[in-house]
Amino acid sequence: QKEVEQDPGPLSVPEGAIVSLNCTYSNSAFQYFMWYRQYSRKGPELLMYTYSSGNKEDGRFTAQVDKSSKYISLFIRDSQPSDSATYLCAMIPPGNTGKLIFGQGTTLQVKP
Amino acid sequence: NAGVTQTPKFRILKIGQSMTLQCTQDMNHNYMYWYRQDPGMGLKLIYYSVGAGITDKGEVPNGYNVSRSTTEDFPLRLELAAPSQTSVYFCASSYSFGTSGGGQETQYFGPGTRLLVL
Repeated sequence: QKEVEQDPGPLSVPEGAIVSLNCTYSNSAFQYFMWYRQYSRKGPELLMYTYSSGNKEDGRFTAQVDKSSKYISLFIRDSQPSDSATYLCAMIPPGNTGKLIFGQGTTLQVKP
Repeated sequence: NAGVTQTPKFRILKIGQSMTLQCTQDMNHNYMYWYRQDPGMGLKLIYYSVGAGITDKGEVPNGYNVSRSTTEDFPLRLELAAPSQTSVYFCASSYSFGTSGGGQETQYFGPGTRLLVL
């Protein structure tokens, strides 16, 4: 079983739609959760960072963590064509090992 | 700040050749990382470094070597290129790592090097 599972998509939605991106994880000791956005042929860039259960909002983006279910989500409201990218969830495992564990990434296309 | 820079952007190698992927950061970060990204597979850690002179293996280190002689530079060496090393390679850096919770673990990525081994 992979430590972090993410539906690779691709996911295609019309402009203005609400998008839900999800990851599940197997290690209940994970405490810190991130979402990276990666445009085509670019390096990933940090989008959201959270370390507790609940919701964290930043503009049109909301990161949600449910530690009891070992499930995290990223919601994008009023999606725009510029949101078209691959979204990667990432988690810091316990033990200060210096590693980030990434999901496989979900490719999102927002059609005008 | 240029952030994290990588060279070359693209390279074709023949089986058995060697090459060095260059990575430089100007953010004075102590921690640096090398990842490879294969289609649909996310990012896998190859090697990382917690400071000049200190390196450690990640998840997929076989076939690669690294060195860290300065804070700024973290080159990745492929000694005997194999088709399985065809991938996109990303270098990243961060102020720290672990679970301090202050966001200092944020990793900043370079633009990547596309490598094709034929």
